[in-house]
Amino acid sequence: QSALTQPASVSGSPGQSITISCTGTSSDVGNYNLVSWYQHHPGKAPKLMIYEVNKRPSGVSDRFSGSKSGNTASLTISGLQAEDEADYHCCSYAGTTTLRVVFGGGTKLTVL
Amino acid sequence: EVQLVQSGAEVKKPGATVKISCKVSAYTFTDYYIHWVQQAPGKGLEWMGLVDPEDDETMYAEKFQGRVTITADTSTDTAYMEVSSLRSEDTAVYYCATEPKRGALDHWGQGTLVTVSS
Repeated sequence: QSALTQPASVSGSPGQSITISCTGTSSDVGNYNLVSWYQHHPGKAPKLMIYEVNKRPSGVSDRFSGSKSGNTASLTISGLQAEDEADYHCCSYAGTTTLRVVFGGGTKLTVL
Repeated sequence: EVQLVQSGAEVKKPGATVKISCKVSAYTFTDYYIHWVQQAPGKGLEWMGLVDPEDDETMYAEKFQGRVTITADTSTDTAYMEVSSLRSEDTAVYYCATEPKRGALDHWGQGTLVTVSS
């Protein structure tokens, strides 16, 4: 099973909004409302930002939101801040014994 | 606060075996699966496998089956991942993570860099 497809990079200016897409298949993204998103600063551990498509863990800013349509999930960050600059990885539950979850290739967000 | 603390960086020769540990604290070890995720240089995250500490059930990605072994020690609240027959392509940072909700990895270890070089 292939990795989920994300754009390699996106950019935006402080205060703007950006959206990162994540395209899978009917076996993963399209079959479960179990998409999660991770923020990953270099040298640090990934941080869960969104789970179950659009839920935020406690402590995550409401500037981060998630959605899904068909086989494509999206992460939107509004009111961009410098500290949002990081890699973002999407992930979907896949539900098989040889693929519990599948990740996207990651998207580098640059805050201009 | 839930913490996952991994063992330190390793340098190994091709063909060797490496075993990385992931010690958890501040939650009941048997409550959640422990996953292992690989990030090779310049690449995205890749799921390797998991262990259910409650019954030692394991699942492995096809790519890693046969060469990766994941275990859990409930006496020390520590999960382990062993990779055998190392090759240069195994040079990567390896993370452990917990899955308290299906499909969501909410707490991660700090990562362990494994370098395979002759």
